[in-house]
Amino acid sequence: AQKVTQAQTEISVVEKEDVTLDCVYETRDTTYYLFWYKQPPSGELVFLIRRNSFDEQNEISGRYSWNFQKSTSSFNFTITASQVVDSAVYFCALSSSGGYQKVTFGTGTKLQVIP
Amino acid sequence: DVKVTQSSRYLVKRTGEKVFLECVQDMDHENMFWYRQDPGLGLRLIYFSYDVKMKEKGDIPEGYSVSREKKERFSLILESASTNQTSMYLCATGTGRVNTEAFFGQGTRLTVV
Repeated sequence: AQKVTQAQTEISVVEKEDVTLDCVYETRDTTYYLFWYKQPPSGELVFLIRRNSFDEQNEISGRYSWNFQKSTSSFNFTITASQVVDSAVYFCALSSSGGYQKVTFGTGTKLQVIP
Repeated sequence: DVKVTQSSRYLVKRTGEKVFLECVQDMDHENMFWYRQDPGLGLRLIYFSYDVKMKEKGDIPEGYSVSREKKERFSLILESASTNQTSMYLCATGTGRVNTEAFFGQGTRLTVV
């Protein structure tokens, strides 16, 4: 069985602060994929990034960066210089290579950026 | 751009009613999914379909059924709505490859009274 844990239920930061959203996963598969999605107040989940289990290189995209560490089974997401538009619920998800495209989602972290 | 459209944004139904939630996609994706989202529980998979007329149970299928008569349309059916089915329902599509992301609709917030 696979599992994704997002221990932070809600986080509030003041605009321009940096914030890190934690994600810890469990899987017995050696090949798997990790994702982050953003759900703004409008409701539609939007894909942010995908990482496969063989690629531990960190990634930066503008103010967003992701740190993937297999040794600790973590895939953390950092927003630098947060903005009000970053306010949303963020989901970490895990997909393994066993059969259909089944994705296990974490419980989500609600981020509020205060102006 | 992939478009996943759910027929209603908000619905209010009475206990015992039969409820249909519709989802339509325009990108010819093989897989379609229905999730429900509840506070503190994240997204939980109800059913998914990997082809027309094919369906598989997800993690919480009890009280639900699905229909996929055409590739682009995937319906979630609540046979007899109950108050514990009050939730946000999200439809998603995917290519079928595990290394690809899912595309989501805007969600239907269903309230059963």
